[in-house]
Amino acid sequence: SQTIHQWPATLVQPVGSPLSLECTVEGTSNPNLYWYRQAAGRGLQLLFYSVGIGQISSEVPQNLSASRPQDRQFILSSKKLLLSDSGFYLCAWSVKGGQGSTFGSGTRLTVV
Amino acid sequence: GDSVTQMEGPVTLSEEAFLTINCTYTATGYPSLFWYVQYPGEGLQLLLKATKADDKGSNKGFEATYRKETTSFHLEKGSVQVSDSAVYFCALSESTGNTPLVFGKGTRLSVIA
Repeated sequence: SQTIHQWPATLVQPVGSPLSLECTVEGTSNPNLYWYRQAAGRGLQLLFYSVGIGQISSEVPQNLSASRPQDRQFILSSKKLLLSDSGFYLCAWSVKGGQGSTFGSGTRLTVV
Repeated sequence: GDSVTQMEGPVTLSEEAFLTINCTYTATGYPSLFWYVQYPGEGLQLLLKATKADDKGSNKGFEATYRKETTSFHLEKGSVQVSDSAVYFCALSESTGNTPLVFGKGTRLSVIA
């Protein structure tokens, strides 16, 4: 069966520090991968999605970036965090032409 | 572009009350429709889905019917429980399935005993 792993679960980082969040999917190949952010009490904001290795589409131009170095690995990064980067980050995957996405358990990031 | 509009919350109900959360959509093609649920501190879980007009998705006592004529996919439950307290998201997926889901803004439901 397919599983999605996202870590860490919580993270507290100072302003200006770098960020790296990792997401991996098991039990499938060539998935579509997504990064979302959810600010406190708000809806979902799509940040990046990828349909294949090295293929990244950015929905929101910010100080965040994403990479897909392997088929089932999706990384969200920042060189210098801002206070406004605080939020709940969710990774998700779907099959090609599939119906719906499966979400990871999320990373709660607090920038202080 | 495609969009999803769902009723704003929060919605507060007493246990065993009837629940309706409205969701309407705009899409150029024939999308699939979804309801996701997010419990506090967790990721989103797929609650139910419908892939074509007049389909009814159901799960855990929740139901939603794909109404093409009214472009709606309202979520209903006959008798809510305290454990149903969560945020509910309506979403659509284009027929190709290769673009990200389009989500509504979410509706927070609180059920009190």
